[in-house]
Amino acid sequence: EDKVVQSPLSLVVHEGDTVTLNCSYEVTNFRSLLWYKQEKKAPTFLFMLTSSGIEKKSGRLSSILDKKELFSILNITATQTGDSAVYLCAVGYNTDKLIFGTGTRLQVFP
Amino acid sequence: SAVISQKPSRDICQRGTSLTIQCQVDSQVTMMFWYRQQPGQSLTLIATANQGSEATYESGFVIDKFPISRPNLTFSTLTVSNMSPEDSSIYLCSVEETETNYGYTFGSGTRLTVV
Repeated sequence: EDKVVQSPLSLVVHEGDTVTLNCSYEVTNFRSLLWYKQEKKAPTFLFMLTSSGIEKKSGRLSSILDKKELFSILNITATQTGDSAVYLCAVGYNTDKLIFGTGTRLQVFP
Repeated sequence: SAVISQKPSRDICQRGTSLTIQCQVDSQVTMMFWYRQQPGQSLTLIATANQGSEATYESGFVIDKFPISRPNLTFSTLTVSNMSPEDSSIYLCSVEETETNYGYTFGSGTRLTVV
């Protein structure tokens, strides 16, 4: 059965800390791995990864994919209270489907 | 990236009634996806809606409970029928960004509470 597992389930840090969120997957016909930030209802897109070993960066956020070991990490440096959210990992498979992990809830305190 | 308008934003409904959720996209898209997010859970795909054909439902979801319409390439509706408290969830529509590398874009979501 296809699955996406995220860890940790929740994380509490102070502003300025660096965090690493993990996503492992077992999915047939892998196409891509995506990271989303969900603050209220709608997930907002962060990264899409298709190739191993190529880091993608956006400001303080970065992500990398390892297709051999079937996992990805999302790093957030110098965290801010605005980073508090649920971070979702999703894997695209077959032609158009996505399967989501359960998410990591990040709380950043001043 | 595509902009998706979803409504209603939230609703509180009586059990046994039905609610129709609408999504309007600012560009033409081949497929639209409908997701459910139950409290404390992640997103689960309900069905894929293609214009001009019947929607394709995922395991555990049936057309009688979640009928979907897709009358054109920019619009879709999802109806939650004969609601029970277990249907209380966030419902989201989504489209794939085939022209960019932005993955999938989501509508603003509908928070449904069934009492």
